[in-house]
Amino acid sequence: AQKITQTQPGMFVQEKEAVTLDCTYDTSDPSYGLFWYKQPSSGEMIFLIYQGSYDQQNATEGRYSLNFQKARKSANLVISASQLGDSAMYFCAMREARRDDYGGSQGNLIFGKGTKLSVKP
Amino acid sequence: GAVVSQHPSRVICKSGTSVKIECRSLDFQATTMFWYRQFPKQSLMLMATSNEGSKATYEQGVEKDKFLINHASLTLSTLTVTSAHPEDSSFYICSARRGGAAEAFFGQGTRLTVV
Repeated sequence: AQKITQTQPGMFVQEKEAVTLDCTYDTSDPSYGLFWYKQPSSGEMIFLIYQGSYDQQNATEGRYSLNFQKARKSANLVISASQLGDSAMYFCAMREARRDDYGGSQGNLIFGKGTKLSVKP
Repeated sequence: GAVVSQHPSRVICKSGTSVKIECRSLDFQATTMFWYRQFPKQSLMLMATSNEGSKATYEQGVEKDKFLINHASLTLSTLTVTSAHPEDSSFYICSARRGGAAEAFFGQGTRLTVV
């Protein structure tokens, strides 16, 4: 069974500092995708960054980078130069390699329990 | 990024009535849409996967007769909560994915309160 583990229910970081949010995953499928989403108090899910299992380099998107360690099955999110607006829930997710009746990928995401990040001024 | 619009954002309904939630992909054709449910301070739990023009695939434990999903076009999927009860009160959120694309984009979510 595939699963995502986020061991940090809550994290605090000082404004302008960097923070790492942990994520480990478990899958037997050689092909998978890893995602990070941000969910502010409004509830919307904001896509941040994606890493494919065959990607050679770690993904980066602006202040977000994904520290992908395939052998350890970890996909930690690093936020550099934290801002007050970064305070939110952060979810790590993996694309599930489920096949439909015709062998096509459904592409569903399974989520970790999330980490609540609070940025202090 | 792509835009997914979900409506309504909030709804309060009486117990026993039905509520319809719409999920639209505004600038792309969504071959697959997903419906999730999120309880307070918990993660998103997949309810069902819908592909345009075919029946939805429901997760184990999700009542298909209670949560009706229709994906009539490549830009619209609807979730109808039938005969709603207070325990159905939750945050429902949809996501849409282009065929072959890596990421899925989410709607704004719908907070349903059944009184």
